[in-house]
Amino acid sequence: GAVVSQHPSWVICKSGTSVKIECRSLDFQATTMFWYRQFPKQSLMLMATSNEGSKATYEQGVEKDKFLINHASLTLSTLTVTSAHPEDSSFYICSASRDRGPGANVLTFGAGSRLTVL
Amino acid sequence: AQSVTQPDIHITVSEGASLELRCNYSYGATPYLFWYVQSPGQGLQLLLKYFSGDTLVQGIKGFEAEFKRSQSSFNLRKPSVHWSDAAEYFCAVGPFNTDKLIFGTGTRLQVFP
Repeated sequence: GAVVSQHPSWVICKSGTSVKIECRSLDFQATTMFWYRQFPKQSLMLMATSNEGSKATYEQGVEKDKFLINHASLTLSTLTVTSAHPEDSSFYICSASRDRGPGANVLTFGAGSRLTVL
Repeated sequence: AQSVTQPDIHITVSEGASLELRCNYSYGATPYLFWYVQSPGQGLQLLLKYFSGDTLVQGIKGFEAEFKRSQSSFNLRKPSVHWSDAAEYFCAVGPFNTDKLIFGTGTRLQVFP
């Protein structure tokens, strides 16, 4: 089955530093990946859509300069939280879309990355 | 506006009891409907999905869901809950041509022995 790996699973950093989170599709090519943010006991909030070889599409209210997304290959997308602050602490989840067409609109999610900014 | 509502924030059931988690949606086009489960600190696992056809869909772990267009609902059911089913459950709706799912706020399920 389709597997999406996220790394690191948790990270603690100092305020002002940058943190990179990787999302890899292990056994399929993902032309599109999605990044979500989940606050405690809340639902997933879509941050951006990452398209291989092109710029990411950010949702309204998401700072593109704060959350840098790079989708350099068909199996890897990265999210970099720049100049992190305590309010950026959250659970970040990625998902990947494998195929297109009828019956293929199914996402595979990574296990998530918990970021704590001190 | 497109939205997903899960009216029950928290549900507690005894092991072996039946379960129904409610999901209502507001969507302008033909909806693609999903139920996901999330264990603490984990990502989301797909339980089942509905695209078309039979309105009663079977998923993994003994779960099923029924699409009722007239009620704009997609409720999740399980006849007998196991302690390992304790988790957060999310209903989601999406369009055909993108994967931008809209998630409900989730229902936390607790199971007592």
